[in-house]
Amino acid sequence: DAKTTQPNSMESNEEEPVHLPCNHSTISGTDYIHWYRQLPSQGPEYVIHGLTSNVNNRMASLAIAEDRKSSTLILHRATLRDAAVYYCIGSYGKLTFGQGTILTVHP
Amino acid sequence: GAVVSQHPSWVICKSGTSVKIECRSLDFQATTMFWYRQFPKQSLMLMATSNEGSKATYEQGVEKDKFLINHASLTLSTLTVTSAHPEDSSFYICSARDAVLVWSNQPQHFGDGTRLSIL
Repeated sequence: DAKTTQPNSMESNEEEPVHLPCNHSTISGTDYIHWYRQLPSQGPEYVIHGLTSNVNNRMASLAIAEDRKSSTLILHRATLRDAAVYYCIGSYGKLTFGQGTILTVHP
Repeated sequence: GAVVSQHPSWVICKSGTSVKIECRSLDFQATTMFWYRQFPKQSLMLMATSNEGSKATYEQGVEKDKFLINHASLTLSTLTVTSAHPEDSSFYICSARDAVLVWSNQPQHFGDGTRLSIL
C-alpha cells in the first residue's frame, strides 16, 4: 500500500465546499485511491475511489493529480452529518488505514 | 444495498472467557471478509483476511490461535477471541467486499463494529 499523508484536522462551515487533500507520492501504478469516512463508534463508510480520472458520485468528487502523487476529496456542500474522520488510502486489495483527517463542520 | 451486519454490537465479559463476533453480508455474497481492530483515538488496524472455505490470512503480529476466524459460508464470517484478557478490549470491525477476488478494487462495506470490554 502507498504511504499517504493527510492533515490532522480541518474545519468547514455548513453548506460550504470542503477540499480534503491527500499526498501519496509513492503510489504504484495499480494502486487505487480510496476514501472512506468514519463517524464516532461506527464502522467506516465508503465514500469514493478512483485510479487516474476524476470521479463523481452522489456523496463527493475525487480529483486526482495528473502525476497521481496527490488527490483531493471534494464535498460540495458540507452538512453537519459530514463531520467525521476521513481516510485516504492508496491500495489494490487490502486497505491500510492511516490517521486520517478529522473534519469539523460548524453550523 | 451492500449491507454488512455485525453482532453483537457490545459485549462485556470476564477475563478468560471466549467471545464470538459474527459478521454477515445481508444482500450480497462475500468470498472475502476482513477483520479490523481499533483502539481509542487510533486508526483501524487490519487483523486478518477471511476467505470462504479456506484458512484466514493473518497480518504480522496477530496471533492466529488467539483470534480464530471461520468463514463457513459466502455470507458469514466469525471472529472468536479466545481466553480474552483486558488488553483485548477494543472495537472490532468487519468488512466485506462484493467481489470474488481478494485483490479487487471494489469498495469494502463495513459493519458497525463490536465494542468488546474484558473485565
